[in-house]
Amino acid sequence: NAGVMQNPRHLVRRRGQEARLRCSPMKGHSHVYWYRQLPEEGLKFMVYLQKENIIDESGMPKERFSAEFPKEGPSILRIQQVVRGDSAAYFCASSLSGGNTIYFGEGSWLTVV
Amino acid sequence: AQTVTQSQPEMSVQEAETVTLSCTYDTSESDYYLFWYKQPPSRQMILVIRQEAYKQQNATENRFSVNFQKAAKSFSLKISDSQLGDAAMYFCAYRSESGANNLFFGTGTRLTVIP
Repeated sequence: NAGVMQNPRHLVRRRGQEARLRCSPMKGHSHVYWYRQLPEEGLKFMVYLQKENIIDESGMPKERFSAEFPKEGPSILRIQQVVRGDSAAYFCASSLSGGNTIYFGEGSWLTVV
Repeated sequence: AQTVTQSQPEMSVQEAETVTLSCTYDTSESDYYLFWYKQPPSRQMILVIRQEAYKQQNATENRFSVNFQKAAKSFSLKISDSQLGDAAMYFCAYRSESGANNLFFGTGTRLTVIP
């Protein structure tokens, strides 16, 4: 039973480029969450999605960031026109339903040069 | 908004000894969940233990146990018989039982295990 799968594990982008991070939830899980971890800090909530719906995006920056979880395929976190401050670890997590335990993927490390 | 506080940025423990990591939280809710996650050098977030606020009994998972004091809003993690593999960052997290489904994390405690 595969866990939460994220790719790429490491991504390097130049300032101004776009970054796309993908997440496949655990089998049977329909709730997906994205978190960001800046160096030496804890994880901060970004967005919570269910299939084809954004449930809570209160943690998402207002510009350049977007997320989707289509009916088919992985969830995508998209960062347009990346800046150095976007360099961080981005963790995806999933749960069976809203009240269940959240399981994390291994994270995607974005470096903006 | 809920806040989670971990007042110990770093802790160390001798191998085979016991260590307790502290966590306090602030909430006006009566029903919620509390978690401890471990982040080893690989950076993966690993669930260590979970506690439902409505349960009076403290959760236990092998060498890991919690001391949940609901009135004091305290949720400490005790690691018994510490092993070298326990060395990691430990994050305390809060999740509401209703409403928002996201986790609120503390800033973490870095645990060093001394051989």
